[in-house]
Amino acid sequence: EIVMTQSPATLSVSPGERATLSCRASQSVSSNLAWYQQKPGQAPRLLIYGASTRATGIPARFSGSGSGTEFTLTISSLQSEDFAVYYCQQYNNWPRGTFGGGTKVEIK
Amino acid sequence: EVQLVESGGGLIQPGGSLRLSCAASGFTVSSNYMSWVRQAPGKGLEWVSVIYSGGSTYYADSVKGRFTISRDNSKNTLYLQMNSLRAEDTAVYYCARDRNYPPVRHGMDVWGQGTTVTVSS
Repeated sequence: EIVMTQSPATLSVSPGERATLSCRASQSVSSNLAWYQQKPGQAPRLLIYGASTRATGIPARFSGSGSGTEFTLTISSLQSEDFAVYYCQQYNNWPRGTFGGGTKVEIK
Repeated sequence: EVQLVESGGGLIQPGGSLRLSCAASGFTVSSNYMSWVRQAPGKGLEWVSVIYSGGSTYYADSVKGRFTISRDNSKNTLYLQMNSLRAEDTAVYYCARDRNYPPVRHGMDVWGQGTTVTVSS
């Protein structure tokens, strides 16, 4: 099983600042990586697929990068609605895609 | 509007059975790959099962032999039959349209709101 490790577990950021979230795979997953946003009591929402392609309707302040084992989600200027938990998911060995443990982005 | 609505969750004793439903609108379940993903209380996401558009099914090792994924094309609905339930199956269960299959690789792009399963005596 491919293990996905996200860091940090919690990120404290002020509105308007940049947030950088990391995701590491235990082995190469090429660019087969997605990012999801989840707010309390809600379902996950697809933000990024293919490591760097924004899903439909996702604002340009969200960007993804990386390939192989190291990936980054950047939120360029945090808005109030961006405070949430973010998960990465590899699907290189689909259908057994695995998720990371999540990074909670909280208000500083 | 593209939408998934789950139902069927509840409180069930260990060893019991439950069937979850996921009704789709705005797209055809049988033309898509559909997955179930669960989230234990306060924990992260765990993929549970998938059904291909062609009907093939796959399961996580943690539920293999106990859970069965299926669909009813006439009702445009996905199901998850859960048998021999354990305390560790307690979670919110989400259905999702799964577009992570090769060569599409476009993520899980439509999710239901989730249904809660609690396994406890």
